[in-house]
Amino acid sequence: DQQVKQNSPSLSVQEGRISILNCDYTNSMFDYFLWYKKYPAEGPTFLISISSIKDKNEDGRFTVFLNKSAKHLSLHIVPSQPGDSAVYFCAADLTGNTPLVFGKGTRLSVIA
Amino acid sequence: GAGVSQSPSNKVTEKGKDVELRCDPISGHTALYWYRQSLGQGLEFLIYFQGNSAPDKSGLPSDRFSAERTGGSVSTLTIQRTQQEDSAVYLCASSLGLTKGPQYFGPGTRLTVL
Repeated sequence: DQQVKQNSPSLSVQEGRISILNCDYTNSMFDYFLWYKKYPAEGPTFLISISSIKDKNEDGRFTVFLNKSAKHLSLHIVPSQPGDSAVYFCAADLTGNTPLVFGKGTRLSVIA
Repeated sequence: GAGVSQSPSNKVTEKGKDVELRCDPISGHTALYWYRQSLGQGLEFLIYFQGNSAPDKSGLPSDRFSAERTGGSVSTLTIQRTQQEDSAVYLCASSLGLTKGPQYFGPGTRLTVL
């Protein structure tokens, strides 16, 4: 059973608009969450993370929101740029520095 | 500084042959992880090394898979008697291993078993 789910396999957004990528998890013991971006033929690149003691973390154009009661997190990209086009993976960690549990990814296409 | 490096970047082998994949983690990172990504799937955990502790092998899919980490740095993932279902991108990651923090990934090795 998948513990981390990204239910949208793809998303298209116009340049300059907001991109919202969603992620749901089932294990309430997860306490650290991360977003990675992956271009073809490259390894995943760390984007932003959030600890379960917070509900928001912001870094430039990227903001991650965590709703623990709903077991839901989202990544907002504002404004979206064509270079943001990639596959985005949500990942969750149980205790820190343990193997991450990944979703299957959402392919974001930012259209100029 | 230098990131995680992996070699080879691509490997094509015949079914039944053994392969070795190499990972050089970021200097000073004590934790090292192997994952694989099959077509259309997320990243699947394989094995985890933390310092001098015994590795967590719980993700290895069969006893044909093994890994070692020499001197707390370089790691080699070995797949014996490869099967077509082993075809995937094998990714290595490392982290500081001291406190909660991100894992940093290498570019991966694309393995194709014919």
